[in-house]
Amino acid sequence: QLRLQESGPGLVKPSETLSLTCTVSGGSIMSPSYYWGWIRQPPGKGLEWIANIYYSGSTYYNPSLKSRVTISGDTSNNQISLKLTSVTAADTAVYYCARTSSSWYFVDYWGQGALVTVSP
Amino acid sequence: EIVLTQSPGTLSLSPGERVTLSCRASQTVSTSYLGWYQQKPGQAPSLLIYGASNRVTGIPDRFSGSGSGTDFTLTISRLEPEDFAVYYCQQYGSPPLLTFGGGTKVEIK
Repeated sequence: QLRLQESGPGLVKPSETLSLTCTVSGGSIMSPSYYWGWIRQPPGKGLEWIANIYYSGSTYYNPSLKSRVTISGDTSNNQISLKLTSVTAADTAVYYCARTSSSWYFVDYWGQGALVTVSP
Repeated sequence: EIVLTQSPGTLSLSPGERVTLSCRASQTVSTSYLGWYQQKPGQAPSLLIYGASNRVTGIPDRFSGSGSGTDFTLTISRLEPEDFAVYYCQQYGSPPLLTFGGGTKVEIK
């Protein structure tokens, strides 16, 4: 059974860098059938896609966040990571690790989510 | 960038009623790349429909999706108590990115 587990600090100070890791078990981030990435949801609001990475190493970013976001993969540990720089209170959200089909582009697996609060 | 607009924002309904949720795109969306998700409080979203009308394995047949071009619909033929949730549409387009609609909350009347 596929499992995606987010980990990282739950509190980040304004202007600092948010860093999260997603550990994938029960599947491989090297599968060409899927993209692996991040989606966030501010409290009480809707969903915003952040970025995806493909097994080839190709990366894809939401244009609205591209200047501040880096997604990377660690094949030896079957993990993906997210870095978001210069955070503000607007970046407070639940951050989900997610698997996206490379054929139909739907998200079929989600992590449980990690709440990250940006506050002094 | 394609914008997805969902309406209405909130629906207040009773169990047993029929529900029709709308998702309108600012530009033509490939039918293959339109999906619907259900999200319950405190949980991650879960996929219901992909390719505009294909039900995910295990999803009850009271859920159906339809539409093409810029107008898509999720229909729940008869609301069950477990169906009260927020529903999101999602599309994939060029430049390569995923976008979600703002969501429709289906609440108990």
